[in-house]
Amino acid sequence: GDSVTQMEGPVTLSEEAFLTINCTYTATGYPSLFWYVQYPGEGLQLLLKATKADDKGSNKGFEATYRKETTSFHLEKGSVQVSDSAVYFCALLLTNAGKSTFGDGTTLTVKP
Amino acid sequence: NAGVMQNPRHLVRRRGQEARLRCSPMKGHSHVYWYRQLPEEGLKFMVYLQKENIIDESGMPKERFSAEFPKEGPSILRIQQVVRGDSAAYFCASLTDNEQFFGPGTRLTVL
Repeated sequence: GDSVTQMEGPVTLSEEAFLTINCTYTATGYPSLFWYVQYPGEGLQLLLKATKADDKGSNKGFEATYRKETTSFHLEKGSVQVSDSAVYFCALLLTNAGKSTFGDGTTLTVKP
Repeated sequence: NAGVMQNPRHLVRRRGQEARLRCSPMKGHSHVYWYRQLPEEGLKFMVYLQKENIIDESGMPKERFSAEFPKEGPSILRIQQVVRGDSAAYFCASLTDNEQFFGPGTRLTVL
């Protein structure tokens, strides 16, 4: 079946450090890929997405590139801020199935 | 995601009671997806419904859980005889143009 594997956390960084959160997937078709962010006690917010191979999603300084050859969608940010502290989820969506498959989440804490 | 509405936002039940969670998808959408997020975990698919039809319930527990999406009104996720292990956040979502939009979730606490 379809699955998403995320880098295990928690991840703790100092402000302005470089962030990478690894995400790999397995899917029976050609999925769209997503990163969501969840702040404490809140719902999911879409951070960025990519719908086909080699697409790069970007938002708020975060980037991720859809790599079909390595089945990966790693999240990166060049300089993190304290306000980036949250849980990050990688997910895939196969349109014909409709439902999303999520990774287990990676907790990021950024210290001043 | 502001268009997907869920209520209540927080629900407290004692063991053995029933929990009813409601979801209204984005305007004009007739499909609803329910997910459950256990503490410290990711979201797990539960059920996919269209108006008056269950399309995929492969993620639903076999007992005590049911879902419906009537012709009129919101989708309802119903949990009978709740147990402490049902404590979780329950999210619903709409699907459009290759993207799912999530509601704010209902946080169920079973005492």
